Amino acid sequence: GQQLNQSPQSMFIQEGEDVSMNCTSSSIFNTWLWYKQEPGEGPVLLIALYKAGELTSNGRLTAQFGITRKDSFLNISASIPSDVGIYFCAGRYRDNYGQNFVFGPGTRLSVLP
Amino acid sequence: KAGVTQTPRYLIKTRGQQVTLSCSPISGHRSVSWYQQTPGQGLQFLFEYFSETQRNKGNFPGRFSGRQFSNSRSEMNVSTLELGDSALYLCASSLGEDEQFFGPGTRLTVL
Repeated sequence: GQQLNQSPQSMFIQEGEDVSMNCTSSSIFNTWLWYKQEPGEGPVLLIALYKAGELTSNGRLTAQFGITRKDSFLNISASIPSDVGIYFCAGRYRDNYGQNFVFGPGTRLSVLP
Repeated sequence: KAGVTQTPRYLIKTRGQQVTLSCSPISGHRSVSWYQQTPGQGLQFLFEYFSETQRNKGNFPGRFSGRQFSNSRSEMNVSTLELGDSALYLCASSLGEDEQFFGPGTRLTVL
């Protein structure tokens, strides 16, 4: 079945640094989504990408839908302490039963002051 | 617009008991999906309901079941609880074919 790989698994960065993480798969997806989850809470949608090659920004966050439709990346510029959390990518595809979402294992981000 | 709400937020049960979790989607959203999240397995899809019908199902035993009501609210039931069922159960709603929005989750602990 569909599977997503995320790298890195975890990262420790200094406040103010830029962050880059990516999500890859051997399968093609129609939509890529990026979520952030903080302890004890549900994932919060950050960015949604709908077309291959699409580049979308949301404040300090920028994400791109890979042209092969098998990957996506998320960049965070000028990190701040509240960026700490786990970042998940998710790919959406359709089968005979409807829409399906597959989630990556997450990238745990720690920001050092 | 209110987000996805889940009740209860925390629950403690013992092995063999059964539990029912509730999810109210964002107003106007007709699709509700349930996920189990554990540190070891990540986010695993349980099932999706759309207009009161189960549209898709993940690879979980029959002890896990759900339903959706005419107002799109959904419930998930787990019978004969096992220790391994301890997890954060997340509900997500969507209009139908686009991005999902998650609730805060119900943290279930099975003793």
